[in-house]
Amino acid sequence: NAGVMQNPRHLVRRRGQEARLRCSPMKGHSHVYWYRQLPEEGLKFMVYLQKENIIDESGMPKERFSAEFPKEGPSILRIQQVVRGDSAAYFCASSPSRTGGYEQYFGPGTRLTVT
Amino acid sequence: AQSVTQLDSQVPVFEEAPVELRCNYSSSVSVYLFWYVQYPNQGLQLLLKYLSGSTLVKGINGFEAEFNKSQTSFHLRKPSVHISDTAEYFCAVSKGQGGSEKLVFGKGTKLTVNP
Repeated sequence: NAGVMQNPRHLVRRRGQEARLRCSPMKGHSHVYWYRQLPEEGLKFMVYLQKENIIDESGMPKERFSAEFPKEGPSILRIQQVVRGDSAAYFCASSPSRTGGYEQYFGPGTRLTVT
Repeated sequence: AQSVTQLDSQVPVFEEAPVELRCNYSSSVSVYLFWYVQYPNQGLQLLLKYLSGSTLVKGINGFEAEFNKSQTSFHLRKPSVHISDTAEYFCAVSKGQGGSEKLVFGKGTKLTVNP
């Protein structure tokens, strides 16, 4: 059973460009979470999605960031007009259900560098 | 809202020595508690979790943690560490039953095991 897959693993963008980060959850998992890890910081929650629904986006910046989890295909975290402060590692996690006590399975992350 | 404090940002120890990584949390509601490990340039792997019941929780790789409600702590311990335990360790909390599923992480503790 393949784990959570993220691509690309490394992404370099110039200021003002768009970044698209992809996450394929584990087979059978319908819940996806995105976290951001800044240097010397822990992970910060960004958004929680189920298929075709955003459940909790309380950690998403109000502008330039969006996320989706379509019925078919991976979840996408999109950052428009990137700035240097967006440089970070972005982790996706998935879980099989919303029931409390689940484990979130993490992908290897996408390391975004904005030049 | 929940918060997590990991008191030590770096912990150096010698191989085969015992280690304790400290974690304190704050929350006005019941919580679930987790310890994750992150090896360089990888995602997070769950070591152990506390949901309810016995306050002593055993995890993978010989780690264990004790939930102390009165002290709002969830310290991670291992009686004898190996070089391969060198990694960063994150304590995390989520709301208990019926609460939000997002994880709130501490800033991490870098454990370095020296020969």
